Amino acid sequence: DAGVTQSPTHLIKTRGQHVTLRCSPISGHKSVSWYQQVLGQGPQFIFQYYEKEERGRGNFPDRFSARQFPNYSSELNVNALLLGDSALYLCASSLYSGSNEQYFGPGTRLTVT
Amino acid sequence: AQSVTQLGSHVSVSEGALVLLRCNYSSSVPPYLFWYVQYPNQGLQLLLKYTTGATLVKGINGFEAEFKKSETSFHLTKPSAHMSDAAEYFCAGGFTSGTYKYIFGTGTRLKVLA
Repeated sequence: DAGVTQSPTHLIKTRGQHVTLRCSPISGHKSVSWYQQVLGQGPQFIFQYYEKEERGRGNFPDRFSARQFPNYSSELNVNALLLGDSALYLCASSLYSGSNEQYFGPGTRLTVT
Repeated sequence: AQSVTQLGSHVSVSEGALVLLRCNYSSSVPPYLFWYVQYPNQGLQLLLKYTTGATLVKGINGFEAEFKKSETSFHLTKPSAHMSDAAEYFCAGGFTSGTYKYIFGTGTRLKVLA
């Protein structure tokens, strides 16, 4: 069975640009969460979606947005990129929202120059 | 405020020695608790989780953790370290208060000495 997949693997953007990151959950999983992991730190929770609805949100500015599609895949959008947005963006899927264990994808490494 | 704290950003043990990685949480209601491992340039892999029931939880690769409500702790242990255990370990809590939040600790890098 395929695990959580994310695209692209690496991305380089310039300050002020916009970026879209994509995630496909494990088949049968209905919840997707997004995390930002800055080098040397733990992942920071950005969003959780379940059945196409936002179920949780971390402390990130409105430049960050996400959505979940009918096939449960998800996009994370970041507008007006800042140097500080450079990080590994991780997607995790789970059967449901809440306490369920999450399965992580390999991440997208975003570099903002 | 809800939080997860890992004591010790770096831990070194000899091969064959006991591994102990510490995790404490802060919350009026105990969260669901998880330990993940991350190898270089890879995503996170779930080692074990505690939701309800038995407080001693066994995971993969010989790891286990014990939930102690009185100490607000969920420390990770392994009786005998192996070289392949060298990695970054993250403790995480799933908190439900209104909306759901998943909070990670800052991580502990485990080094195993030959």
